[in-house]
Amino acid sequence: ETGVTQSPTHLIKTRGQQVTLRCSSQSGHNTVSWYQQALGQGPQFIFQYYREEENGRGNFPPRFSGLQFPNYSSELNVNALELDDSALYLCASSLGQTSGRGAQYFGPGTRLLVL
Amino acid sequence: AQSVTQPDIHITVSEGASLELRCNYSYGATPYLFWYVQSPGQGLQLLLKYFSGDTLVQGIKGFEAEFKRSQSSFNLRKPSVHWSDAAEYFCAVYGGSQGNLIFGKGTKLSVKP
Repeated sequence: ETGVTQSPTHLIKTRGQQVTLRCSSQSGHNTVSWYQQALGQGPQFIFQYYREEENGRGNFPPRFSGLQFPNYSSELNVNALELDDSALYLCASSLGQTSGRGAQYFGPGTRLLVL
Repeated sequence: AQSVTQPDIHITVSEGASLELRCNYSYGATPYLFWYVQSPGQGLQLLLKYFSGDTLVQGIKGFEAEFKRSQSSFNLRKPSVHWSDAAEYFCAVYGGSQGNLIFGKGTKLSVKP
């Protein structure tokens, strides 16, 4: 059973650029959630995808967007990068549309630095 | 609104000593609760979860947590800490309709030799 994987591990961008982060969910899981973790903070929910559709969204602007593919892998896209977007981006996979009882399993994260 | 509070930002314990990390939650219905651990530069690893039933739940690495509805708490415990337990610990509650987890700000655990 493979766990959640994310790529790249680290990324440096400049303000105004666009970035795409990728996530492969754990085998058998059909739901992917994305979180942003700023330094010294707990993870903040960005959005969740279930069967290729956005299933829920946190308090993040529309320049944060995503996709989920038929194999349940997912992308997080951030346009017009701002300095405050510098953070660790975590992907979590789970089984089921409402992921409460299905615990979420996290990948190692992508650390994004915006200069 | 749902929320999670971890009152202790940083705790230092001696190796072999017992550990208790505090977590208080605010949630209208029966909560689904989780503890995760994060080593430096790493993602989150699930330690244990509570959905219903027995209020004392066992997790991996010798950790356990007790759900106390009357105190809105879900404290994490370990009887004897090992140096490898040094990490940051996050308590989380299932947020409901959005399908998300709501995390506390974390407690950093340092272990003295």
